[in-house]
Amino acid sequence: SYELTQPPSVSVSPGQTASITCSGDKLGDKYAHWYQQKPGQSPVLVIYQNNKRPSGIPERFSGSNSGNTATLTISGTQAMDEADYYCQAWDSKVFGGGTKLTVL
Amino acid sequence: EVQLVESGGGLVQPGGSLRLSCAASGFTFSSYWMNWVRQAPGKGLEWVANIKQDGSAKYYVDSVKGRFTISRDNAENSLYLQMNSLRAEDTAVYYCARDDGIGFRYWGQGTLVTVSS
Repeated sequence: SYELTQPPSVSVSPGQTASITCSGDKLGDKYAHWYQQKPGQSPVLVIYQNNKRPSGIPERFSGSNSGNTATLTISGTQAMDEADYYCQAWDSKVFGGGTKLTVL
Repeated sequence: EVQLVESGGGLVQPGGSLRLSCAASGFTFSSYWMNWVRQAPGKGLEWVANIKQDGSAKYYVDSVKGRFTISRDNAENSLYLQMNSLRAEDTAVYYCARDDGIGFRYWGQGTLVTVSS
């Protein structure tokens, strides 16, 4: 079965840029989506089809996908962005293991 | 407003069965693939199963094949997950999620299933 690998944790200072990677075999040939999940809440779609933002998602969230790696980038990270982030390969519905973003 | 409300979770003994429901409202339920996604305590998201708009196609993660059955009732705007032969490792919050073709845009609040003796 298809597997996606994410770093368990990423730390960033407020106002700086956070990058979260997601690796999978030929992931760049598929669509990648990204979800944000805060404690006790359901996941929220923040990036779809590699680099598109659903309505209501701040512009500081962006994405890219090439080769074997998809990347979620949060520019000007805010304290409210502290959460777990999951990538998803669209054709298989598989999720990555998740990355805990800490803003400190 | 799109709403997905799961129910049916609870405590069940290993080997037991449980049926989860997801009541959908605020959209044309019969127009969307629907999914079940679970999250074990302190762990990540795991896609479990999905079902086509008319119920003619269903897919499952390997770990639940032969034990879980996804179904839907478009007249009742409801999604179901029949879970049999439950194991401790099936303990999780189970979410239903709408497949918008561009990701899972809408999720329910989840229902907790605990498999324990």
